Amino acid sequence: NAGVMQNPRHLVRRRGQEARLRCSPMKGHSHVYWYRQLPEEGLKFMVYLQKENIIDESGMPKERFSAEFPKEGPSILRIQQVVRGDSAAYFCASSTGRDNEQFFGPGTRLTVL
Amino acid sequence: GQSLEQPSEVTAVEGAIVQINCTYQTSGFYGLSWYQQHDGGAPTFLSYNALDGLEETGRFSSFLSRSDSYGYLLLQELQMKDSASYFCAVTGGGNKLTFGTGTQLKVEL
Repeated sequence: NAGVMQNPRHLVRRRGQEARLRCSPMKGHSHVYWYRQLPEEGLKFMVYLQKENIIDESGMPKERFSAEFPKEGPSILRIQQVVRGDSAAYFCASSTGRDNEQFFGPGTRLTVL
Repeated sequence: GQSLEQPSEVTAVEGAIVQINCTYQTSGFYGLSWYQQHDGGAPTFLSYNALDGLEETGRFSSFLSRSDSYGYLLLQELQMKDSASYFCAVTGGGNKLTFGTGTQLKVEL
């Protein structure tokens, strides 16, 4: 059973470009969460999605950031017009929604030049 | 809002016992989790406490006191591979996790 998969693992963008981060949850998991981690800091919740629905986006910046989890395919976190402050590790996690454990992917390290 | 406090760094010797504390202030509380993260890699789940008391899983145990808004992770028989960052996290409703700032554990010979 494959774990949570994220791609790309490393992404370099110039200021003003768009970044697309993908997350495939574990098989059987329909709940997906995105977190952001800055160096030497904890993970900060961004958004919680179920298939085709955003459940909680209270941690998402109001501008430039969006997320989706379509009926088919991976969850996508999109960052438009990236700025240097967006440089961070972005982790995706998934769960069944029925228990308390979240399974994390290896993360995407975004660097904005 | 929610805030969680942990010591930033703990050092211990191989074979010893170490306790990592976590205090929290939350507007809602369902349970306290602990996650381990090696070198910025994928955090991995260690334990979850919803009720007061001690939960034991092998060398790791986790404790919760809801009345004190306090919990700890206890690691016994420390091994070098236990060197990592440890995060407490509150589930405050809606399944999302609010993480502490993390404790870096260094295990020395």
